[in-house]
Amino acid sequence: EDQVTQSPEALRLQEGESSSLNCSYTVSGLRGLFWYRQDPGKGPEFLFTLYSAGEEKEKERLKATLTKKESFLHITAPKPEDSATYLCAVQPYGQNFVFGPGTRLSVLP
Amino acid sequence: NAGVTQTPKFQVLKTGQSMTLQCAQDMNHNSMYWYRQDPGMGLRLIYYSASEGTTDKGEVPNGYNVSRLNKREFSLRLESAAPSQTSVYFCASSEWASGSLGDTQYFGPGTRLTVL
Repeated sequence: EDQVTQSPEALRLQEGESSSLNCSYTVSGLRGLFWYRQDPGKGPEFLFTLYSAGEEKEKERLKATLTKKESFLHITAPKPEDSATYLCAVQPYGQNFVFGPGTRLSVLP
Repeated sequence: NAGVTQTPKFQVLKTGQSMTLQCAQDMNHNSMYWYRQDPGMGLRLIYYSASEGTTDKGEVPNGYNVSRLNKREFSLRLESAAPSQTSVYFCASSEWASGSLGDTQYFGPGTRLTVL
């Protein structure tokens, strides 16, 4: 069964304190791995798509990486506006998305 | 370019009442999806429409029906609401049918539904 787990469940950082969020997955064949940001009371906002192991994508303070079993979302020198829930989803070949439960990030000033 | 829009934003129902959640996208996408989001759980797929004229069940379809009205619009209907359907509902769309290239899904702002 295709499955996605995310850790930690919640993370509190001081402004400027870099860290990483983990997304571990088991899937029969990976078509793509997706990262989304979700602010309270809003819909998920697309961040990155990764297709193959070794691939990396960057956007401002965020960098996403992919291996055969997991993906990391690295946050460098975070700011309070980076506070949100970060969702990971995998898409097996020929199938729909499977979402993880998310990591709730709080960045304190 | 509004992206994906959903109405209503909030709704309170009594057990047994019915309602329809509306979704529209202006990105000329082929595929549309309905998810529910519950605390501590990932987004779960209720129904999807790979292309205009087709609909298929997702992971949690019981108690729901859908209609792909045209390429832009995809509605979700609760015929007889139950407290277990209290949740936040999201509509999403993507350019291609599931499993193809460029399958990024774009989400609407959500409908917060409470069933008493």
